[in-house]
Amino acid sequence: GEDVEQSLFLSVREGDSSVINCTYTDSSSTYLYWYKQEPGAGLQLLTYIFSNMDMKQDQRLTVLLNKKDKHLSLRIADTQTGDSAIYFCAEQAGDSGYSTLTFGKGTMLLVSP
Amino acid sequence: DTEVTQTPKHLVMGMTNKKSLKCEQHMGHRAMYWYKQKAKKPPELMFVYSYEKLSINESVPSRFSPECPNSSLLNLHLHALQPEDSALYLCASSPRTGGDTEAFFGQGTRLTVV
Repeated sequence: GEDVEQSLFLSVREGDSSVINCTYTDSSSTYLYWYKQEPGAGLQLLTYIFSNMDMKQDQRLTVLLNKKDKHLSLRIADTQTGDSAIYFCAEQAGDSGYSTLTFGKGTMLLVSP
Repeated sequence: DTEVTQTPKHLVMGMTNKKSLKCEQHMGHRAMYWYKQKAKKPPELMFVYSYEKLSINESVPSRFSPECPNSSLLNLHLHALQPEDSALYLCASSPRTGGDTEAFFGQGTRLTVV
C-alpha cells in the first residue's frame, strides 16, 4: 500500500493561521481529502480537491496541491479553539473504482486561547 | 438528509457473544464501507459494498461478517471477537463507485471486547 505522511502535532494560538501538511505517494489519485476528527467522534469531511486543481478555498479553509511534489496542505485562517482536533489527509486508493481511502496518520491540532 | 447513522454508539461484548453493528444512510448512495480505527491510528478499510454486493474484503478475519440487506443498510456481524478487536468502527457511504466521489462517514461505534 501507499503511505500518506503527515506531521503528528501542531500547536497554535487562537486567531493565528494553521497550516497542516501532507505528502502522498499515489500519483494516480484523482481526489485528495481533508477530514477532521474530534475526540470520540467520527470523521467529518472538511474539503477535498481534484487532482487537476492547485488551489481550493472554502471560507476559512484553503487547500493547496503541488502535484509534482505530491504535497498537499490545509490552511485554516483565524484558527479557533473549536478547531482543535485531529486532521487526516486521505488519498483515493489507486484506481480501485471505489472511494477507498488511504489515510495519513493524522495531525493533532491544539489551539490555545 | 446528509447523514450516515451508526448504532449503537458504544458496545461492550464478551469474547463468546454475538452482536451486530448497524449503519444506515438515506442519501441514495450505492457504495458503503466499513473501516476500523484503533486508538491514535488512522482508519483502515475493512469492506466495500457496491450495489449491495461485497466488492472488497481487505483480508478481514471471518469473525467479522458484513451484510448489506438493501441499498440503505449495512450491518457488521461480530462473533468470537478478541480483545485486540476493540476499536472505533466507522461506516461510510459514497454516491457511486467511481473514484471521483467523496465518502461521508458516520460517528462510529466504539467497541470494547472484554
